[in-house]
Amino acid sequence: EADIYQTPRYLVIGTGKKITLECSQTMGHDKMYWYQQDPGMELHLIHYSYGVNSTEKGDLSSESTVSRIRTEHFPLTLESARPSHTSQYLCASSSTGDNQPQHFGDGTRLSIL
Amino acid sequence: AQTVTQSQPEMSVQEAETVTLSCTYDTSESDYYLFWYKQPPSRQMILVIRQEAYKQQNATENRFSVNFQKAAKSFSLKISDSQLGDAAMYFCAYRSAIGGGSNYKLTFGKGTLLTVNP
Repeated sequence: EADIYQTPRYLVIGTGKKITLECSQTMGHDKMYWYQQDPGMELHLIHYSYGVNSTEKGDLSSESTVSRIRTEHFPLTLESARPSHTSQYLCASSSTGDNQPQHFGDGTRLSIL
Repeated sequence: AQTVTQSQPEMSVQEAETVTLSCTYDTSESDYYLFWYKQPPSRQMILVIRQEAYKQQNATENRFSVNFQKAAKSFSLKISDSQLGDAAMYFCAYRSAIGGGSNYKLTFGKGTLLTVNP
């Protein structure tokens, strides 16, 4: 079992609120990722980080932002939530090494009313 | 850009039977990695099996095996002796083997929902 944790698991919140989705891993992985997944659909990478103070935007444009101040922590923030942000957000991490797989958290199901 | 196609949105199998999930991909690269991930309902996505493109031998993990056809760009997953716990969404994923930059990213297919009937 991978030690990567996401909180909250579920969040229902009103439009305009600031939201932070937490992701932490205890494996010392240098690489971390955020994916967005709509129900029954594939995952799309929205942010990734290859180490502390390193963040990059992924393939899918997102209004969210991320930070990587500590190796183990990679939070995702939405400054002003909108209904279009309703989705599942999955956090993952991986170690350095060519064939190392990504380990995923349980995800956060976000609903913006 | 690489693409991954899973042409079977849904599959079903009887318990103890064998099922094969298909995956094709498009790439101009010669070296890469392929993965199958399993996502049970409301549960964590976990790695099922991985394949390095430079290896000709098909990967196996207990009841799970792949049929990797590099020339055809095909990467199917075979599940033998299917169990109720195998019911899940299965995603095929591609990762470039070119080091550095953004090439640790995974490109996912749309998934195949597998139902196991008792």
